[in-house]
Amino acid sequence: DAKTTQPTSMDCAEGRAANLPCNHSTISGNEYVYWYRQIHSQGPQYIIHGLKNNETNEMASLIITEDRKSSTLILPHATLRDTAVYYCIVRGGARFGNEKLTFGTGTRLTIIP
Amino acid sequence: GAGVSQSPRYKVAKRGQDVALRCDPISGHVSLFWYQQALGQGPEFLTYFQNEAQLDKSGLPSDRFFAERPEGSVSTLKIQRTQQEDSAVYLCASSLEGRRDMNTEAFFGQGTRLTVV
Repeated sequence: DAKTTQPTSMDCAEGRAANLPCNHSTISGNEYVYWYRQIHSQGPQYIIHGLKNNETNEMASLIITEDRKSSTLILPHATLRDTAVYYCIVRGGARFGNEKLTFGTGTRLTIIP
Repeated sequence: GAGVSQSPRYKVAKRGQDVALRCDPISGHVSLFWYQQALGQGPEFLTYFQNEAQLDKSGLPSDRFFAERPEGSVSTLKIQRTQQEDSAVYLCASSLEGRRDMNTEAFFGQGTRLTVV
């Protein structure tokens, strides 16, 4: 699986959009970009994933650059409950024998009241 | 229940003791994963099952670690002769995704916090 690079920590004001960047310059053509988050003392929670098109769901939006070497997770209106460690992961999937998620150190996002 | 259930939530073991950690995945989920998370670190992959078949055990740190999923549903992670460095949170995850399926998400349990004293 390709490696990802994320900032160690970020702050965001409550109610503002939180934009979390991720670099994955060695991503291969069959690898998806996944985002998970982990709130203190809980298991990781799935947020969103995408291959090359931008994706949006009820939690967030995922913007993937055209060359797929980087992406941004956007939480449109951050709340205090969004304070967590956010992990960006690239993964080919079971079809390609790459079943596992490989977590890095993630970005610790703190929402400031 | 609707989610992945792990038991016990907390386990304290004396060094040298054997422990067994249980994972009940979401009903019908094909894939099951075990991860180990040390304090302040991201989860580290241990092993993967597709139904009852253990397809990847490359992350198991030693032969003291053993996992099984005999009927393709509930899974048990067993650690023999526990050592202090085994202290961590053990996470289980499941997903619908099999080898013919499109990518989907994995759902994680709350984890079992193991403390070896």
